[in-house]
Amino acid sequence: EAGVTQFPSHSVIEKGQTVTLRCDPISGHDNLYWYRRVMGKEIKFLLHFVKESKQDESGMPNNRFLAERTGGTYSTLKVQPAELEDSGVYFCASSLPGNTIYFGEGSWLTVV
Amino acid sequence: EDQVTQSPEALRLQEGESSSLNCSYTVSGLRGLFWYRQDPGKGPEFLFTLYSAGEEKEKERLKATLTKKESFLHITAPKPEDSATYLCAVQAMNTGFQKLVFGTGTRLLVSP
Repeated sequence: EAGVTQFPSHSVIEKGQTVTLRCDPISGHDNLYWYRRVMGKEIKFLLHFVKESKQDESGMPNNRFLAERTGGTYSTLKVQPAELEDSGVYFCASSLPGNTIYFGEGSWLTVV
Repeated sequence: EDQVTQSPEALRLQEGESSSLNCSYTVSGLRGLFWYRQDPGKGPEFLFTLYSAGEEKEKERLKATLTKKESFLHITAPKPEDSATYLCAVQAMNTGFQKLVFGTGTRLLVSP
């Protein structure tokens, strides 16, 4: 069974540009999460989808970040415009209700 | 605010030298405590979930225990392939959903 897949694995963009990260959850997992780890810090929650609905977006840093999950399948996380402090690893995760949360390999973002 | 503190930050062991990693937590009602393993450049890999004080779980050379204030990950006779960062995370009852709050991790290096 395929795990959580994320694309791209690495991205280098200039400040002010836009980047879109994609996540395909494990098949059948209605719960989808985005987390982020910036340099030297712990992994932090960004938001949680149940199917196509945002259940909790309390961790989104500001309005430059937009997450969508149209149709309740894959999700995208767009950063526009990117700032230097957005550099880090963005992890997507998925789960069944009340069950173990499985993580993807991460999308490494560098803003220069 | 829910908080997780892991110690030590880094640990170097000789192959076969047993030790323990600590995860202290403060949470307004523990729903579950999770241990993950993370290899360089990879996403967190699920190891264990503990739900109540006194609970223990084992997997190969790893054993996780839980009290009301902390969890330990005991590593018995480690091998070089156990080298990784070990992450602890908690879910709180009051989040309503499944948000994980992570610690910064313990980097374990096992030398042959």
